[in-house]
Amino acid sequence: QSVLTQPPSVSGAPGQRVTISCTGNTSNIGAGFDVHWYVQLPGTAPKLLIYGNNNRPSGVPDRFSGSKSATSASLAITGLQAEDEAYYYCQSYDSSLVGSVFGGGTKLTVL
Amino acid sequence: QVHLQESGPGLMKPSETLSLTCSVSGYSIRSGYYWGWMRQSPGKGLQWIGSIYRSGGTLYNPSLESRVTISVDMSKNQISLSLRSVTAADTAVYYCTRHRSWGAGDYFDPWGQGSLVTVSS
Repeated sequence: QSVLTQPPSVSGAPGQRVTISCTGNTSNIGAGFDVHWYVQLPGTAPKLLIYGNNNRPSGVPDRFSGSKSATSASLAITGLQAEDEAYYYCQSYDSSLVGSVFGGGTKLTVL
Repeated sequence: QVHLQESGPGLMKPSETLSLTCSVSGYSIRSGYYWGWMRQSPGKGLQWIGSIYRSGGTLYNPSLESRVTISVDMSKNQISLSLRSVTAADTAVYYCTRHRSWGAGDYFDPWGQGSLVTVSS
């Protein structure tokens, strides 16, 4: 249903590395538009986590990194911590829809 | 530090017009940036509604454009959202956000805490 496709859930044990994928098409990610990532804790607003594919805003730990290739992007989290348990959303621009579009979100569970 | 605070009606009836206001503190809208509205519902996830510049220039999501008006009041440092003829499908948490221009696609930072709007008869 969402323009960008994310897995509904991922999980990992503390200290492990997890990745969250974001798949688009030739109108958005594949057209060269950048991908941005947001994190959302239950009951709170989304917060910017990564912008411009792989840039971290001030205050975001370097355990979080982003990458982009062809029509997809990925968010990697290393050294998983309990406080990383949240929903993660990717966002890009779509030239066909003429506006910003989001992924459906991925729930990260820290085991 | 930029802070955004939404205010709205909470509960509405179908066919009414939704009006939301976002008060911006810590930054003057007059200084620049686009300022936008998002919404989040269980059925449709996160959706960009539209954005406005200090000049009054607007960008709207084509799927909502026929029902949406976004305006700016620089004297109050506020932006407003009007959504006409609401239905249950418009039930969502509505967020105000700063729309940041980026070379190959914009992003949104920061976000307000959100205002829950429920449409029910």
